[in-house]
Amino acid sequence: GQQLNQSPQSMFIQEGEDVSMNCTSSSIFNTWLWYKQDPGEGPVLLIALYKAGELTSNGRLTAQFGITRKDSFLNISASIPSDVGIYFCAGRSGAGSYQLTFGKGTKLSVIP
Amino acid sequence: EAEVAQSPRYKITEKSQAVAFWCDPISGHATLYWYRQILGQGPELLVQFQDESVVDDSQLPKDRFSAERLKGVDSTLKIQPAELGDSAMYLCASSLAVGADTQYFGPGTRLTVL
Repeated sequence: GQQLNQSPQSMFIQEGEDVSMNCTSSSIFNTWLWYKQDPGEGPVLLIALYKAGELTSNGRLTAQFGITRKDSFLNISASIPSDVGIYFCAGRSGAGSYQLTFGKGTKLSVIP
Repeated sequence: EAEVAQSPRYKITEKSQAVAFWCDPISGHATLYWYRQILGQGPELLVQFQDESVVDDSQLPKDRFSAERLKGVDSTLKIQPAELGDSAMYLCASSLAVGADTQYFGPGTRLTVL
């Protein structure tokens, strides 16, 4: 089945630093989504990407849909303590399938 | 703001017992999803409903898991009998329609099987 490789698995950064994480797939996706999950809560959608090469921002977050359609990137600028959590990428292949495939997540820790 | 409701938030049970989880999606959302999230992993789809009909249950272990959404609104996921490997977070999500990218997740039910 489809698999998403998300990296890094975890990262520790100083408050104010920028963060980059990425997700790669063994197959092509038509939609890329980025979610954030706080401890004990369900994932919350941050950014949705629908077109290869697309670059979309949501406040301090910027995500890109890779031109090969097999990868996506999420950047967080000027990190703050509330950015702590687990960030998941998810992809949808389309072609009649609406199922989302999730990565294993990147756990972000921000040191004040 | 409308939210997906789930109960209970936590459940501890012994193996071979039956457990049930409840989900109430956002009002007006036709599509409802049940996911299982093992610690350290991303959510994996178990079953997807469009109104009261099952759209996709290919990943549901049907020998012990069942799900229903009788009136096309709230839904129940049942496990009988529970096994040690079923310990996980069970997440419910809803969206306006099949294929709608914005799936809104509930807080989940954390199941521990002893």
